[in-house]
Amino acid sequence: DTAVSQTPKYLVTQMGNDKSIKCEQNLGHDTMYWYKQDSKKFLKIMFSYNNKELIINETVPNRFSPKSPDKAHLNLHINSLELGDSAVYFCASSQVGARGNTIYFGEGSWLTVV
Amino acid sequence: GENVEQHPSTLSVQEGDSAVIKCTYSDSASNYFPWYKQELGKRPQLIIDIRSNVGEKKDQRIAVTLNKTAKHFSLHITETQPEDSAVYFCAASWTLFGNEKLTFGTGTRLTIIP
Repeated sequence: DTAVSQTPKYLVTQMGNDKSIKCEQNLGHDTMYWYKQDSKKFLKIMFSYNNKELIINETVPNRFSPKSPDKAHLNLHINSLELGDSAVYFCASSQVGARGNTIYFGEGSWLTVV
Repeated sequence: GENVEQHPSTLSVQEGDSAVIKCTYSDSASNYFPWYKQELGKRPQLIIDIRSNVGEKKDQRIAVTLNKTAKHFSLHITETQPEDSAVYFCAASWTLFGNEKLTFGTGTRLTIIP
């Protein structure tokens, strides 16, 4: 009954490869996000989608391409992986409501590029 | 864009004492200020949040204060316990088309000394 689930949890891959991380939320939220946490623990937003529409697109290399087939899914595809892409990638979701837009994070995907 | 500064970066307190973490933000449009706790290897989890129309909020041993004029907000943890040891992130946010554009602080590693 995990609210925000992402796969894979761990991913080790070589430079130059292409990889995808999948995310699904069962909270019924309209909005989903991708965040990146680097080795220094800095958390930065990469993208957000609202009802499958791209809303926030921070300064991210165009090797990163999000795809939202429906509002419950937001996948992240990364082309031509580089060493600097090694990080933890968190998917998240939120819903505008009376309690405010609390953001719920998935468990993270640890990406290591070698 | 928004810039959130967080201090201190590390904090050690004796079990039972209080811990205070401070954040400042730059964008006066920010109106939502959550605090997240991240244990080692886990996802960030919301522990408390405050909206701009409120000056203080308390939930058992944790409290948050907000000074909109000075653009700073603080997390207070009283009667600290070993399980409070974690990295804490403040964030400031404003809503864009239903999406929370969260900007995180750089984190505070809190260690509770038994």
